[in-house]
Amino acid sequence: EVQLVESGGGLVQPGGSLRLSCAASGFTFSTYWMSWVRQAPGKGLEWVANIRQDGSEKHYVDSVKGRFTISRDNAKNSLYLQMDSLRAEDTAVYYCARDDYNYRYFQHWGQGTLVTVSS
Amino acid sequence: DIQMTQSPSSLSASVGDRVTITCRASQGINNYLAWFQQIPGKAPKSLIYAASSLQSGVPSKFSGSGSGTHFTLTISSLQPEDFATYYCQQYNSYPLTFGGGTKVEIK
Repeated sequence: EVQLVESGGGLVQPGGSLRLSCAASGFTFSTYWMSWVRQAPGKGLEWVANIRQDGSEKHYVDSVKGRFTISRDNAKNSLYLQMDSLRAEDTAVYYCARDDYNYRYFQHWGQGTLVTVSS
Repeated sequence: DIQMTQSPSSLSASVGDRVTITCRASQGINNYLAWFQQIPGKAPKSLIYAASSLQSGVPSKFSGSGSGTHFTLTISSLQPEDFATYYCQQYNSYPLTFGGGTKVEIK
């Protein structure tokens, strides 16, 4: 069974940093693209970033480019999201998602971790 | 960027009703369209991919259709567990984008 467990969320001041982690199990992590998707309170879903199997290719939504960095450690079956220069509008539940093997939609989702940016 | 527009944004329906949700893309997306269900307080769940292919384990009451820029999700007979918010997502090009969601409520 595919399992994705996020951690690292919490309260942070504007301009601060936070690192999210996602522990994956139940599948061969190193063979799948992985993504982060977020959802602001009461709002819809927004794709944030994704990363190729070997980490050689990464994509970001414009609003986080230069501030967020996605990475992975295939030896640890883990996905990360380093978030710097956080803004109030980054407040959201952040979901880790495993892409489909061939296509860039989100086949499996974690339960999410809440990030709150506030002073 | 490809904009995804869902309609309606919400609807009220009764158990047993047939429900159809529409998703329109601002440009052609080669059927690279997925649908998700989100129950309040839960993570989204994948229902449909490639516009009309049912995700493994998803009941056949869910079906998807469409091509180019116009897509639909149909629930053939609404059950209590189907009251949720539904999202479409295009994966034809970056940035990957979602529709605004359709909330299906009990009448």
